[in-house]
Amino acid sequence: EVQLVESGGGLVKPGGSLRLSCAASGFTFSSYSMNWVRQAPGKGLEWVSSISSSSSYIYYADSVKGRFTISRDNAKNSLYLQMNSLRAEDTAVYYCARESGDPLNWFDPWGQGTLVTVSS
Amino acid sequence: DIQMTQSPSSLSASVGDRVTITCRASQSISSYLNWYQQKPGKAPKLLIYAASSLQSGVPSRFSGSGSGTDFTLTISSLQPEDFATYYCQQSYSTVFTFGPGTKVDIK
Repeated sequence: EVQLVESGGGLVKPGGSLRLSCAASGFTFSSYSMNWVRQAPGKGLEWVSSISSSSSYIYYADSVKGRFTISRDNAKNSLYLQMNSLRAEDTAVYYCARESGDPLNWFDPWGQGTLVTVSS
Repeated sequence: DIQMTQSPSSLSASVGDRVTITCRASQSISSYLNWYQQKPGKAPKLLIYAASSLQSGVPSRFSGSGSGTDFTLTISSLQPEDFATYYCQQSYSTVFTFGPGTKVDIK
């Protein structure tokens, strides 16, 4: 079964740091680009960042550029999001999602999400 | 960045109703358009990819159409389990963007 499981969320003070992880199983992780998508409480989905299969191509939303770093370890089948200089507006459920690998791209599956709360 | 809009932002419908949700892109995105369903407290689920292709396991009452800038998600006969929020997403650019969502609730 293809599965993504996020971890690492929690309560952090403004200006603090947190590292999220996403453990992948049931597919050849090293063959797929991966993404982070977040959802603030009661709000819609916001794409955060993507990384290609070999880490050659990395993209960020303007809202997190310069503060967040996406990375992956294909040997460990894991995706990461290092979040620094956190702000209250970064409070959200963070999902990892696999890209399809098709030129007409889509996200499937998604993990269950991990909650990040930025508050003093 | 490509901006996505959806209409309506919410709708109330009854079981058995035909429901149509519209998504518009700020520039042409060909068929690089996907639809997701999200229920409260759950992760989004892929329904339609490449504008009109039904994801495996998704009921055939769901359908998608459109290309360029205007797209539609149609539920032919609304079922109780379809009450949820629906999001469109463009995958034309490397900066993926989602629409603001359409909440479908019970009339």
